[in-house]
Amino acid sequence: GENVEQHPSTLSVQEGDSAVIKCTYSDSASNYFPWYKQELGKGPQLIIDIRSNVGEKKDQRIAVTLNKTAKHFSLHITETQPEDSAVYFCAATAGAGGGADGLTFGKGTHLIIQP
Amino acid sequence: GAGVSQTPSNKVTEKGKYVELRCDPISGHTALYWYRQSLGQGPEFLIYFQGTGAADDSGLPNDRFFAVRPEGSVSTLKIQRTERGDSAVYLCASSSGGGTGELFFGEGSRLTVL
Repeated sequence: GENVEQHPSTLSVQEGDSAVIKCTYSDSASNYFPWYKQELGKGPQLIIDIRSNVGEKKDQRIAVTLNKTAKHFSLHITETQPEDSAVYFCAATAGAGGGADGLTFGKGTHLIIQP
Repeated sequence: GAGVSQTPSNKVTEKGKYVELRCDPISGHTALYWYRQSLGQGPEFLIYFQGTGAADDSGLPNDRFFAVRPEGSVSTLKIQRTERGDSAVYLCASSSGGGTGELFFGEGSRLTVL
């Protein structure tokens, strides 16, 4: 089955700086890669996703890049703000349409934005 | 409601007891998922329903775990003969099943087995 590794486990950055979180996956059949943000006591919330037919996707301060050959994908957050502090999870699945099968999640990155 | 609703939010039980956790998905969502999240870990897939049927139950850890969705809406996760290792947050998610891929998660049910 799929195995997703995520680094770092904790990331502390100064407010206004950029943050980068990296993930690798093992199943070359995986075709859908979402990123979720989880705040304390809440369920994960989708912030951005990418499918295997594109290499990069951007949404305001958030971007995701995908390298299928190397089987890794990254989350980039620019101009970080205090409200970006949370735990971020990457995930991957080979499910048709991206939602048909269960996602395999990484272990998470605790992002801390220092004022 | 507007989002995925899970009850109870917290459940404390004793080892060996039976528990039921309920999930009410977003109205109209055909796909429903159960995940388990241990402290400091990412969610771990348990089971996926498309309509009333379990399309993929490969994540259920053993036969003490069972889930149903009899009318294709509300789902119940059932755990028999609970063990201390079952302690975790059980997350439910739903999606429209239209291929967008986005899962909408509830806030979870925190299960503590003493």
